[in-house]
Amino acid sequence: NAGVMQNPRHLVRRRGQEARLRCSPMKGHSHVYWYRQLPEEGLKFMVYLQKENIIDESGMPKERFSAEFPKEGPSILRIQQVVRGDSAAYFCASSLRLGVDTEAFFGQGTRLTVV
Amino acid sequence: GESVGLHLPTLSVQEGDNSIINCAYSNSASDYFIWYKQESGKGPQFIIDIRSNMDKRQGQRVTVLLNKTVKHLSLQIAATQPGDSAVYFCAEIPLGVAGTALIFGKGTTLSVSS
Repeated sequence: NAGVMQNPRHLVRRRGQEARLRCSPMKGHSHVYWYRQLPEEGLKFMVYLQKENIIDESGMPKERFSAEFPKEGPSILRIQQVVRGDSAAYFCASSLRLGVDTEAFFGQGTRLTVV
Repeated sequence: GESVGLHLPTLSVQEGDNSIINCAYSNSASDYFIWYKQESGKGPQFIIDIRSNMDKRQGQRVTVLLNKTVKHLSLQIAATQPGDSAVYFCAEIPLGVAGTALIFGKGTTLSVSS
């Protein structure tokens, strides 16, 4: 049973380009969470999705960032017109259900560098 | 601001010593807490969890203690090994907040020397 798969592991983009980060949850998991981690910092919650629905996007910047989790295929975190401040590690986690006693499994992350 | 935080950013111990990593949280309604370990270049890895109706839970070489009176959480690692070197995060899920994911603190870096 493969774990949470994120790709690419490393992504370099020039300012103004678009970045697309992919996350395939563990088999059978329908809950996906995206987090951002700056160097020497903790993980900041961005968005929580269930299949085809955004449940909580309170941590997502209002502009340039979007996320989706289609019925088929991976969850996508999309950053348009990237700026240097978007450089960070982006982690995806998945779980079987939400809440107490539910372990969230993390992927290895995508390290985005904006040059 | 952060609702979950750590007392110390770094902790250095000798191999074989016991380690104690602390965490303070501010949301008294939080119902569930997890400790994660993150090695360099990797994603967080679940270590142990505890519910708010418990004050202690033990795993293999690890123990989590929860003091709800002072809103304090600690992770104890017995006989610390070099492989335990990593950043440790505490995380919480606030009670009754639908659709809320884990909220993380900033982390404590544990360095184990041989």
